[in-house]
This record gives sequence, structure tokens and C-alpha cells, in this order.
Amino acid sequence: AQSVTQLGSHVSVSEGALVLLRCNYSSSVPPYLFWYVQYPNQGLQLLLKYTTGATLVKGINGFEAEFKKSETSFHLTKPSAHMSDAAEYFCAVSASKIIFGSGTRLSIRP
Amino acid sequence: KAGVTQTPRYLIKTRGQQVTLSCSPISGHRSVSWYQQTPGQGLQFLFEYFSETQRNKGNFPGRFSGRQFSNSRSEMNVSTLELGDSALYLCASSLGQGPGEAFFGQGTRLTVV
Repeated sequence: AQSVTQLGSHVSVSEGALVLLRCNYSSSVPPYLFWYVQYPNQGLQLLLKYTTGATLVKGINGFEAEFKKSETSFHLTKPSAHMSDAAEYFCAVSASKIIFGSGTRLSIRP
Repeated sequence: KAGVTQTPRYLIKTRGQQVTLSCSPISGHRSVSWYQQTPGQGLQFLFEYFSETQRNKGNFPGRFSGRQFSNSRSEMNVSTLELGDSALYLCASSLGQGPGEAFFGQGTRLTVV
């Protein structure tokens, strides 16, 4: 069985500050892990993915995530937040099908 | 390469009616999944089709059904609509079965009045 837990339904940071969105997963098989972003009234766009290999994964728009098997975590980070990063972010795990976390809404303060 | 296309984008229906939503996957993709997104329940998996066969099904009542055609296009149908069916319905396409990234359409916003 698979599951995803995103810690914090809403995160607010100042422009230029570090962004950290937390995700923990559970999977009975080696997982594929994803982060998606959703802007209002839009579909989901893939930010980055982990399948195998290097545990630090770089994605679009300056985001990256690190797969930590011992902690069953896949946290999303960005060194410096931009106003355009304001959106909903979803962590997901995939074995037989993709299961999404409940989402984290990221707000950016000027 | 065209992305995932969902039609219509917006729909208003009355309780008790039925509705059909359409999804055209990315060319060459054979797997299509459907999700329901609501503010209260988040993103919930409805079902997945691969090569015209339903491979996985979420925990939704039988009023929700789907199918996939030989060209991989998919439709989902909701019968006897309820107010709680108001949601954004998202379609995602993937190359094949099993683990792998999914590419999403813009969604169909269904409002039941």
C-alpha cells in the first residue's frame, strides 16, 4: 500500500526566503516520487521526479527535492522564493497508480 | 506535441442529470487516469484505463464510470448527479502501465445545481 503525507496545508514565506515543503511517503515497493504544482483553475504540472539513482533531484523553476529512504521523506526546497511561486503543491507516490498528498498552499509575502 | 486535452472546460448541470467528460491523451500514451479534486477531499483517484481495460479503480460509487477507446481517448460518465459531485475533474495520461509520471489536462470544472 502507498500513502503520502504533506505536513502543513499552508506555508507562507517572504519573497527571497527559503521555501521548504515537507512530504513523507509510505510504500511497500521502491517508489517513484513526484512533486506537482497547480495554479488556480489549472491542471497539475510536474516540477520534478525521483525514480532511481541520484537522490537529489533538480526540477523546473529552481526547485529541488532530496529522496531520503531512511526518513521516508521527499521534501521540496527552493533557495529563494519568488512571487510567481505562489500556488498549490502536491507530493505524489507511484507504484501501481499515483497517489497524491493533500497539498500545501504556498503564499509569498512581498 | 499536443498535451492532454479535456473537454468541456466548464459545465453546469442539474441534480439528477448525467454528464460525460472527455479526455484526449498525449499522442502515444496508452494509459489514462481520472481524478476528482474538491476543496474538502483533495485529489482523489477515480480510475485508470490502459488499452481499453480498467486497471485500477478508486473508492467511488457505481454512478461514476468510464471507458477508453482504441485510440486511447477516454470518457468518464457520472449518472444521477448530486450536489457533492461538483468538482474539478482531472485527466492524466501516461506512456504505459505501472509507475511513471503523469501529464495532466486543464480539467473540467463541473458545477451541479
